[in-house]
Amino acid sequence: GAVVSQHPSRVICKSGTSVKIECRSLDFQATTMFWYRQFPKQSLMLMATSNEGSKATYEQGVEKDKFLINHASLTLSTLTVTSAHPEDSSFYICSARPGPLRGYTFGSGTRLTVV
Amino acid sequence: SQQGEEDPQALSIQEGENATMNCSYKTSINNLQWYRQNSGRGLVHLILIRSNEREKHSGRLRVTLDTSKKSSSLLITASRAADTASYFCATDDRSGGSNYKLTFGKGTLLTVNP
Repeated sequence: GAVVSQHPSRVICKSGTSVKIECRSLDFQATTMFWYRQFPKQSLMLMATSNEGSKATYEQGVEKDKFLINHASLTLSTLTVTSAHPEDSSFYICSARPGPLRGYTFGSGTRLTVV
Repeated sequence: SQQGEEDPQALSIQEGENATMNCSYKTSINNLQWYRQNSGRGLVHLILIRSNEREKHSGRLRVTLDTSKKSSSLLITASRAADTASYFCATDDRSGGSNYKLTFGKGTLLTVNP
């Protein structure tokens, strides 16, 4: 149990376009989901905390207008990278927690390449 | 910002040997977790240790936590080639906010040679 599905796994887009990444909790409800970014051979950096029915909480230095987060239901959060640029190319991963004192469950990640 | 700092950054061992990875952190925590990541994939939760626990086992994994030193270690016994992956510690705390969130260390790249 406790599966988080993330789509797409890979996406290539042109500079200036927008890309939407979906994160779904398949067998549990997630009022909170988390979005991370990971550069090659580096650790995960938390970008924002997505809250169902309310505004996301962004970490310092993360542009909220560039990385739009929507958490419209208890099982779905989306991250939209707007007006993408090559420097936005990265590995984006979402996660959610199935319950208290349990580990977080992560999606399989999305490799974004902006050309 | 990075909370945990793993040591070593990279570790190469032979199959059958034990692998020990260490993690240090800076703030008070609710719990500490270890995750595994195969190259280009998502993270898999390995083990969670609460702030009032000192040691925990799960199969070939053994985790210790020393809150006085703000450090943790992950021991993998009788390693296998399939254990090759990056291992991250992560602290679970509120960090001044209202929600709990994970803050990751830099990770240890473990290579187990057949």
